[in-house]
Amino acid sequence: EAGVTQFPSHSVIEKGQTVTLRCDPISGHDNLYWYRRVMGKEIKFLLHFVKESKQDESGMPNNRFLAERTGGTYSTLKVQPAELEDSGVYFCASREPNGGEQFFGPGTRLTVL
Amino acid sequence: LAKTTQPISMDSYEGQEVNITCSHNNIATNDYITWYQQFPSQGPRFIIQGYKTKVTNEVASLFIPADRKSSTLSLPRVSLSDTAVYYCLVGEYNFNKFYFGSGTKLNVKP
Repeated sequence: EAGVTQFPSHSVIEKGQTVTLRCDPISGHDNLYWYRRVMGKEIKFLLHFVKESKQDESGMPNNRFLAERTGGTYSTLKVQPAELEDSGVYFCASREPNGGEQFFGPGTRLTVL
Repeated sequence: LAKTTQPISMDSYEGQEVNITCSHNNIATNDYITWYQQFPSQGPRFIIQGYKTKVTNEVASLFIPADRKSSTLSLPRVSLSDTAVYYCLVGEYNFNKFYFGSGTKLNVKP
């Protein structure tokens, strides 16, 4: 069975540009999470989807970040406009509807120049 | 979310047993203790989860004393491939917001 996949694996953009990250959860996993680690810091929670609904978006840093999960399958995280401090690794995770562990993807490394 | 405290780093040699202790003094009654492992350039990977006493799986053991204010992850006979960062996380069984903390960087030497 395929794990959580993320695309792209690495993105390099200039400050002010827009970037969209994609996460494909494990099939059947209603719960989808986004996390990020900015340079030198700890992995931080961004938000949690249950199917297509945002259950908790308390970790989203500001309104330059927009997460969507139309149809309750894959999710996108758009950063617009990107700032230097957005550089880091963005992880996606998914979990079954009734509990169990969170399965993490390999992450997308975002570099904003 | 209960905060956790772990050693920043540990060194070990191949074949040794490694014990990583995590403090979580403010753990709540409904909280479980979960450990994740992360290799460079990969996402965190679940190792083990427990509520009290001892839990063992094919990879590790988790020891939790009666007061549950700490827990110890035990890795038997480590190999070079166990070099990674280990995170102790505390929250409800279905908790949906991990607080990762700094983790413990384990370095296994030949």
